[in-house]
Amino acid sequence: GESVGLHLPTLSVQEGDNSIINCAYSNSASDYFIWYKQESGKGPQFIIDIRSNMDKRQGQRVTVLLNKTVKHLSLQIAATQPGDSAVYFCAENRKIKAAGNKLTFGGGTRVLVKP
Amino acid sequence: DTEVTQTPKHLVMGMTNKKSLKCEQHMGHRAMYWYKQKAKKPPELMFVYSYEKLSINESVPSRFSPECPNSSLLNLHLHALQPEDSALYLCASSQVGLVAKNIQYFGAGTRLSVL
Repeated sequence: GESVGLHLPTLSVQEGDNSIINCAYSNSASDYFIWYKQESGKGPQFIIDIRSNMDKRQGQRVTVLLNKTVKHLSLQIAATQPGDSAVYFCAENRKIKAAGNKLTFGGGTRVLVKP
Repeated sequence: DTEVTQTPKHLVMGMTNKKSLKCEQHMGHRAMYWYKQKAKKPPELMFVYSYEKLSINESVPSRFSPECPNSSLLNLHLHALQPEDSALYLCASSQVGLVAKNIQYFGAGTRLSVL
């Protein structure tokens, strides 16, 4: 079946280092992906998105890479800070006709930033 | 402003109680969503409303009853819940239209405990 999954459930990173979170997907027709950050006690927060016609997109301290050949995407966080400690979800975003969108989430990766 | 407001933040109810969860957004979004999230799991879609009409019900038990009174409000009525329904219930909203704009913005959720 279709799935969007992650390789690493927990990532421990030293403050100031770069973080890389990986995500694999199985549906080759997937067109649009989003990364969300969920801090403890909060809802998922939009970080960055990427469409399938791109292979890289940069935001503030974050970069998403998409490799359609191997159906893999990654989120890179530069100079990781304590405030980056959270669970990160990749998600496929699929349009449902005129009825909004359906998000299919991956399993999530917890990032722990060590001081 | 990308704020989605959910009330209450916490709710404890017995299996015979009737309660309601509320969600409000003022971003002009015409799609609204309910998700259920169990601990250490990604959010799971329950319902989608588009233009105040129910467009998706992900085979949710009838003890959960959604309602969309207007374009800014979304309710989830709860009746005769089971202990396994204890979870974080998230509301989200998005535009309807082009995929690139249909980012879902989430509220902080209602933490529900069923005794």
